[in-house]
Amino acid sequence: GAVVSQHPSRVICKSGTSVKIECRSLDFQATTMFWYRQFPKQSLMLMATSNEGSKATYEQGVEKDKFLINHASLTLSTLTVTSAHPEDSSFYICSASVASGGPLYQETQYFGPGTRLLVL
Amino acid sequence: KQEVTQIPAALSVPEGENLVLNCSFTDSAIYNLQWFRQDPGKGLTSLLLIQSSQREQTSGRLNASLDKSSGRSTLYIAASQPGDSATYLCAVPETSGSRLTFGEGTQLTVNP
Repeated sequence: GAVVSQHPSRVICKSGTSVKIECRSLDFQATTMFWYRQFPKQSLMLMATSNEGSKATYEQGVEKDKFLINHASLTLSTLTVTSAHPEDSSFYICSASVASGGPLYQETQYFGPGTRLLVL
Repeated sequence: KQEVTQIPAALSVPEGENLVLNCSFTDSAIYNLQWFRQDPGKGLTSLLLIQSSQREQTSGRLNASLDKSSGRSTLYIAASQPGDSATYLCAVPETSGSRLTFGEGTQLTVNP
């Protein structure tokens, strides 16, 4: 259980176009979804936190008009890179958070396989 | 602001060796700490999650320890195999269910 998928897995686009990446929790409803960005040989950097039905919360330095996040349902969040440029080329990873049972309320994040974006 | 550091950045060992990866964090008020594995060009695979009340967790050849007071965690890999070659990341949430802060990772190469 707790599988997260991303689509597409890889995308190549021309500079100036927009690219949409989907993140789906396949067998559970996610409380929250997160979007991360990873440059080569670097760690994951959180871009934004997304809750279903509300506006995403962006990290400092992340342009919300550049990276549009739509959280349409408890199982689907999309990230649209608008007017993509070569510097937006990166590995984008989403995660979906689900509350774990037990006396201690905690949420566990499950990660998608990532989307490789290359902007020419 | 929480900062997570991993040492070493890269490690190359011969097959069969036992090894230790280190992770340190600046704010000890954590709910848990998680170790992940990332293969090149792939997403993250969760290896072990240690609750703040626990000292260690074991899964197969992996053992992770947590010392909150000193802000440190270690991942011990016994009898390493070439298939263990990957980047290992540790991460802590700032509060339960909120954003994770990741370390830079340790790139492990196990040579046959």
